[in-house]
Amino acid sequence: RKEVEQDPGPFNVPEGATVAFNCTYSNSASQSFFWYRQDCRKEPKLLMSVYSSGNEDGRFTAQLNRASQYISLLIRDSKLSDSATYLCVVNMNTGFQKLVFGTGTRLLVSP
Amino acid sequence: EPEVTQTPSHQVTQMGQEVILRCVPISNHLYFYWYRQILGQKVEFLVSFYNNEISEKSEIFDDQFSVERPDGSNFTLKIRSTKLEDSAMYFCASSGRKLKETQYFGPGTRLLVL
Repeated sequence: RKEVEQDPGPFNVPEGATVAFNCTYSNSASQSFFWYRQDCRKEPKLLMSVYSSGNEDGRFTAQLNRASQYISLLIRDSKLSDSATYLCVVNMNTGFQKLVFGTGTRLLVSP
Repeated sequence: EPEVTQTPSHQVTQMGQEVILRCVPISNHLYFYWYRQILGQKVEFLVSFYNNEISEKSEIFDDQFSVERPDGSNFTLKIRSTKLEDSAMYFCASSGRKLKETQYFGPGTRLLVL
């Protein structure tokens, strides 16, 4: 089983749509969870951390289910500028951080 | 806003040559990392560095690789004898004074080994 698994997509949605991405991770001892965004040929940029209680940042909502080892990201009212690859990222270490990345889910928002 | 910088942005080298990739982490950060991303593939952890020593390294980070913090600002990744399969984007990242703070990534160096 892959350490962090995501549907690669692409997800093609019209502007204004709501889209959801899912991710599963294999190590139940994983410590912290993130969604990063990566534009083509650019560096990953932190979108948001993911907490067990769920958290929201504007149009973005992230959820974590530790029992199912499942992470989700919901984007409401999609904008053209949301087009990017969304990376599910897990820190598997209790000590020094070691981020493990999923392959990413590509989102294309069209007018 | 403080940011991680990397030089060069692109590097082309011949197989067997040594390359040094340079990074300037965010100034008050204490934890430093290198990752790589082969074209079309996922980002992979290479090494983490704290207090002038390696704290963890992956299987990818073999004897051909080394890291160094030669002064108070730079953090370097050296590949001693490059192979074709070392062609990738190399990202430096840094995080702050607490162990589990967010990692911030530099813009990357695209390395092409011919």
